[in-house]
Amino acid sequence: QVQLVQSGAEVKKPGASVKVSCKASGYTFTSYAMHWVRQAPGQRLEWMGRINAGNGNTKYSQIFQGRVVITRDTAASTVYMELSSLTSEDTAVYYCARLGYTGYDEGWCRPWGQGTLVTVSS
Amino acid sequence: DIQMTQSPSSLSASVGDRVTITCRASQDISIYLAWYQQKPGRVPDLLIYGASTLQSGVPSRFSGSGSGTDFTLTISSLQPEDVATYYCQRYNSAPQTFGQGTKVEIK
Repeated sequence: QVQLVQSGAEVKKPGASVKVSCKASGYTFTSYAMHWVRQAPGQRLEWMGRINAGNGNTKYSQIFQGRVVITRDTAASTVYMELSSLTSEDTAVYYCARLGYTGYDEGWCRPWGQGTLVTVSS
Repeated sequence: DIQMTQSPSSLSASVGDRVTITCRASQDISIYLAWYQQKPGRVPDLLIYGASTLQSGVPSRFSGSGSGTDFTLTISSLQPEDVATYYCQRYNSAPQTFGQGTKVEIK
């Protein structure tokens, strides 16, 4: 079955960067886009960006002002999300979520990874 | 960017009640609207896509409707296992904005 397994929790200091991985299995990795969504404690879901796992094309939310980079390693069937210049407001659970169908980059997502808690604290 | 506004932000209803959640887009998004359910401490999961198509395995008491700018999610008979926060999300283009969520509790 389709599975997305994310890397473990991280604790970072303000100003640092964090790189979260999302390893996919159970499907043809390059056929589906992967999205990243975050959720700060008690807050709404926030779309961060996505990558076409086939051609590597990316699109990001302007909210992150160039701080987020999404990459993929097709040999490892893994997508990475790196967020830089961290502040306490970046403390959140970060999710990867696979697009539900092939042939598109935008769309609804299912399944989601289990989430990765990133805590930013001095 | 297109904004998504949900209402109410929270509600409390009795088991068996009909529950309706509204999602409004700031611009026409056709039917490119999904609903997700997030149970406490859990990962969000897809309920409805295309504004009204039920994801496989989702109970038939859930339904979605609407197009353009106004959408609704209805639970025809609220069950205890429906306690969750519900989010709408537009996906016609990036950024795929979410609504602020509606927390559903049992009275």
